[in-house]
Amino acid sequence: ETGVTQTPRHLVMGMTNKKSLKCEQHLGHNAMYWYKQSAKKPLELMFVYNFKEQTENNSVPSRFSPECPNSSHLFLHLHTLQPEDSALYLCASREVDRANTEAFFGQGTRLTVV
Amino acid sequence: AQSVAQPEDQVNVAEGNPLTVKCTYSVSGNPYLFWYVQYPNRGLQFLLKYITGDNLVKGSYGFEAEFNKSQTSFHLKKPSALVSDSALYFCAVRAIYGQNFVFGPGTRLSVLP
Repeated sequence: ETGVTQTPRHLVMGMTNKKSLKCEQHLGHNAMYWYKQSAKKPLELMFVYNFKEQTENNSVPSRFSPECPNSSHLFLHLHTLQPEDSALYLCASREVDRANTEAFFGQGTRLTVV
Repeated sequence: AQSVAQPEDQVNVAEGNPLTVKCTYSVSGNPYLFWYVQYPNRGLQFLLKYITGDNLVKGSYGFEAEFNKSQTSFHLKKPSALVSDSALYFCAVRAIYGQNFVFGPGTRLSVLP
């Protein structure tokens, strides 16, 4: 356990559904990240939040909508996804007060879009 | 722009033999460098990092990595591989004043009994 919890672990959704992924960290960190991991592709950074403010949106389609209500929680709201959005979605957190810290990752949510 | 290359998709090594997983990077300015491991259906687990100082960094589970600034490399090593080391290994770079971790494509390590 890294202190970063993602739910659900697995999700199957139709292209017209709306669902949300949840990430919670118990480490007192103040930065949170969403990454997408697709088969045979490098991890892709999607969003970064520092102190609840979005600081990075890596040209992510609007069908992915992040929300960070506080420093401990991060959501990824999904709607009208495409089959190519099927991937492992990883959440991570980091303490930004010290520059040299590593990111701690959750177990991921395996998303399948049908 | 930052980038990370891991030139080998797959590394096979016999149990008990030394292993090396290669990583080269490109970043403006001084880098922070990281190695992570991923087991099936799991998230990424931190192994070690280079911040500054000694070029040889020791990490978890007997792993170490050597930073070489002139070759812009950060190769992961272990003197004696275990079957349980079989997993996917990711190298990552972050600029000192940056927020983003840029990951390499990953190298699958198979340790054969």
